[in-house]
Amino acid sequence: ETGVTQTPRHLVMGMTNKKSLKCEQHLGHNAMYWYKQSAKKPLELMFVYSLEERVENNSVPSRFSPECPNSSHLFLHLHTLQPEDSALYLCASSQGGQENTEAFFGQGTRLTVV
Amino acid sequence: LAKITQPISMDSYEGQEVNITCSHNNIATNDYITWYQQFPSQGPRFIIQGYKTKVTNEVASLFIPADRKSSTLSLPRVSLSDTAVYYCLVEEGFQKLVFGTGTRLLVSP
Repeated sequence: ETGVTQTPRHLVMGMTNKKSLKCEQHLGHNAMYWYKQSAKKPLELMFVYSLEERVENNSVPSRFSPECPNSSHLFLHLHTLQPEDSALYLCASSQGGQENTEAFFGQGTRLTVV
Repeated sequence: LAKITQPISMDSYEGQEVNITCSHNNIATNDYITWYQQFPSQGPRFIIQGYKTKVTNEVASLFIPADRKSSTLSLPRVSLSDTAVYYCLVEEGFQKLVFGTGTRLLVSP
């Protein structure tokens, strides 16, 4: 248990569906991240939120829409996804503003787009 | 984002020492280097973090040369349960935590 919780753990959705991934942390961290991990590929940074403001959007398609309503919660809204978007989506949090930042990760959501 | 590179895979046997390197040529002055372990379908787990020279904890050591353009994770006596993917991570810019390409370690009996 890392203190970062992601739901759901598994999700299967059609290309016309709309779904959301949820991430929650109660570690008092002020930065939250979404990463994508495709099969046998390294982790790709998607979005970074610091103090509830988006500070990084790493050329992610608009069919992925993040939302950070407060410092403890992060969402990733999904719509009209493609089969190649099937991947493990990982959320992380850290205490930004410190030099020795350790990121804590959730267990991930395994997304399958059919 | 600058690429942070690692060997794709490594093989070892139980009880051996394993050294995994990471190349991060564009590391900034204030960036720390962190290593994570990841098992299938799980989030990465923190192993060790360092800034320069050598850091050691109960599970690993981290060696960082003076120029800090690379780092080496050392696992002293691996066991079968150490079979996993190992990632280095560097903060590139403000709170932009970027992972290396990952090294898949296979430990055999």
